Amino acid sequence: AQTVTQSQPEMSVQEAETVTLSCTYDTSESDYYLFWYKQPPSRQMILVIRQEAYKQQNATENRFSVNFQKAAKSFSLKISDSQLGDAAMYFCAYRRNAGGTSYGKLTFGQGTILTVHP
Amino acid sequence: DTGVSQDPRHKITKRGQNVTFRCDPISEHNRLYWYRQTLGQGPEFLTYFQNEAQLEKSRLLSDRFSAERPKGSFSTLEIQRTEQGDSAMYLCASSLDHGRGIPSGANVLTFGAGSRLTVL
Repeated sequence: AQTVTQSQPEMSVQEAETVTLSCTYDTSESDYYLFWYKQPPSRQMILVIRQEAYKQQNATENRFSVNFQKAAKSFSLKISDSQLGDAAMYFCAYRRNAGGTSYGKLTFGQGTILTVHP
Repeated sequence: DTGVSQDPRHKITKRGQNVTFRCDPISEHNRLYWYRQTLGQGPEFLTYFQNEAQLEKSRLLSDRFSAERPKGSFSTLEIQRTEQGDSAMYLCASSLDHGRGIPSGANVLTFGAGSRLTVL
């Protein structure tokens, strides 16, 4: 079974600074997606960024980028120029991509609470 | 389309009562998922539907839980004889699965705001 581990329960960053959130995962599959989702307090979860395992190039979305190390099964999220609105719980998630009926299911990590200080 | 809607947003009930949650997905999405999230934890998969067919159920979904998606549109999640351990946020998500031959990367989940259950 696939597992996703986020070893940082809490992180903090100063506004305008850069922060990196860590995620490791375990799978025997070679074809999969990895995601970072953001869950603001009392609000719905939204997709921040995603990475396809067969793509070596790290995904980037504006101030958000990932460092995907497939051999090490590591998938960290870097937030540059942090803003107050970035404060939220961040979840790393894995999805198998090999087809079949269950490949759409996400497996989540435990989450990292990010605090942004003005 | 206003996204994935869940109702009610918060339900307080006494132990032993039955509760039902409703999820309205994005209209063109053919997949619908239910997850459970306890405080400070990541969501855990419960079950999902492709159209009206329930394709997978987690071991977390005991026989007190039942989910339906009768017409392939909205879905309900019912919990019978609630227990205090059922207290959690129940999240619904939907996605569009293009099927075989189409890049599955399009299958990105959109989540609702959740229904919080408190069992006293």
